[in-house]
Amino acid sequence: EAQVTQNPRYLITVTGKKLTVTCSQNMNHEYMSWYRQDPGLGLRQIYYSMNVEVTDKGDVPEGYKVSRKEKRNFPLILESPSPNQTSLYFCASSLLGTGGDTQYFGPGTRLTVL
Amino acid sequence: DQQVKQNSPSLSVQEGRISILNCDYTNSMFDYFLWYKKYPAEGPTFLISISSIKDKNEDGRFTVFLNKSAKHLSLHIVPSQPGDSAVYFCAASDPSYDKVIFGPGTSLSVIP
Repeated sequence: EAQVTQNPRYLITVTGKKLTVTCSQNMNHEYMSWYRQDPGLGLRQIYYSMNVEVTDKGDVPEGYKVSRKEKRNFPLILESPSPNQTSLYFCASSLLGTGGDTQYFGPGTRLTVL
Repeated sequence: DQQVKQNSPSLSVQEGRISILNCDYTNSMFDYFLWYKKYPAEGPTFLISISSIKDKNEDGRFTVFLNKSAKHLSLHIVPSQPGDSAVYFCAASDPSYDKVIFGPGTSLSVIP
């Protein structure tokens, strides 16, 4: 089954404790992206990757890191989480990465930073 | 400042009637528009899209209309069904930046 998986689905942590949210897709997509969803703000892009070893900042990259060492994986790293990073996070992938290309989203990771 | 706006946070419609969800954008360079649907505890899923060279695209019960001069698009669902109850995100593609800008979403409730 074609899908984007994220782990963990739920995470409660404390300020400053490094964490990683994993994302994997099995569709051989070139493009992968991370979004956060906050009430009234919709989905805002954090980082994206057009291909292996190619990453770029989205609209809200501060406090986040990513890496793309393999085509299928695109982990999101929070080196020192803060309470304002409490949010719902989605990973997405698409075949080509052009703007009009349909994105496939993972199920989301609900992160709470205390 | 939000480039893609959905000014109605929520909408309630009776089953069988038409649902109209609206979206406005500010950037005239946007050339492709998409609607995504999101159920609770799931990720968004693609619903329908429209290119800026068209003014209408239809897929079953779902039709998207684009008015470029007004920088406005709308999603029509006819007839509405309880299973359509979800959050709908409007999104616009900026070809200059390889990115898609999402609106804040509209929560649709279809009442049986």
